[in-house]
Amino acid sequence: NAGVTQTPKFQVLKTGQSMTLQCAQDMNHEYMSWYRQDPGMGLRLIHYSVGAGITDQGEVPNGYNVSRSTTEDFPLRLLSAAPSQTSVYFCASGREPTLDGYTFGSGTRLTVV
Amino acid sequence: ILNVEQSPQSLHVQEGDSTNFTCSFPSSNFYALHWYRWETAKSPEALFVMTLNGDEKKKGRISATLNTKEGYSYLYIKGSQPEDSATYLCAFHNTDKLIFGTGTRLQVFP
Repeated sequence: NAGVTQTPKFQVLKTGQSMTLQCAQDMNHEYMSWYRQDPGMGLRLIHYSVGAGITDQGEVPNGYNVSRSTTEDFPLRLLSAAPSQTSVYFCASGREPTLDGYTFGSGTRLTVV
Repeated sequence: ILNVEQSPQSLHVQEGDSTNFTCSFPSSNFYALHWYRWETAKSPEALFVMTLNGDEKKKGRISATLNTKEGYSYLYIKGSQPEDSATYLCAFHNTDKLIFGTGTRLQVFP
């Protein structure tokens, strides 16, 4: 049982490049979310999904796209990287948020130069 | 915009001290209130999920209470130990998304 797996763990991008952060969970969780962590800002919600085929925007969605074609996978796409997107990104999943807490991946540290 | 606020921002206590933190959240469209513990260089881990007004949860020396009518939750740590040093996050679940506060950073000195 791997839990929530995020890849890559580290990435350096040049301004304007695009990339996809991968997130996969093997717990059959319906709820999945992407957060970014910046100093003094806590965890801010980028996009979330309540099931396959359903996604919605969180607090800071600009510059990011998501899709949820399967229950297991929830990739986050950076369309044209900007230095302001330098951050640590966490993917999290949950079964039923009124019963269980979310399980977090180990994070992806992204630097945009 | 959902505003989840935590206080204090940081806390330094001596080993053996008891301490408590506050989380305030919107009282409308409430589904659940989560507490997480986040150690440096690790990922957040769930401590409690509370849904009903008046809920109290306990895990060892850590306990939490919930008041949904006034929109606040308290986290208590009894007899703090150095291994309790971490950032404690609360998160408000509204319909289908989980919104986090900025956390309380606790440091316990031996």
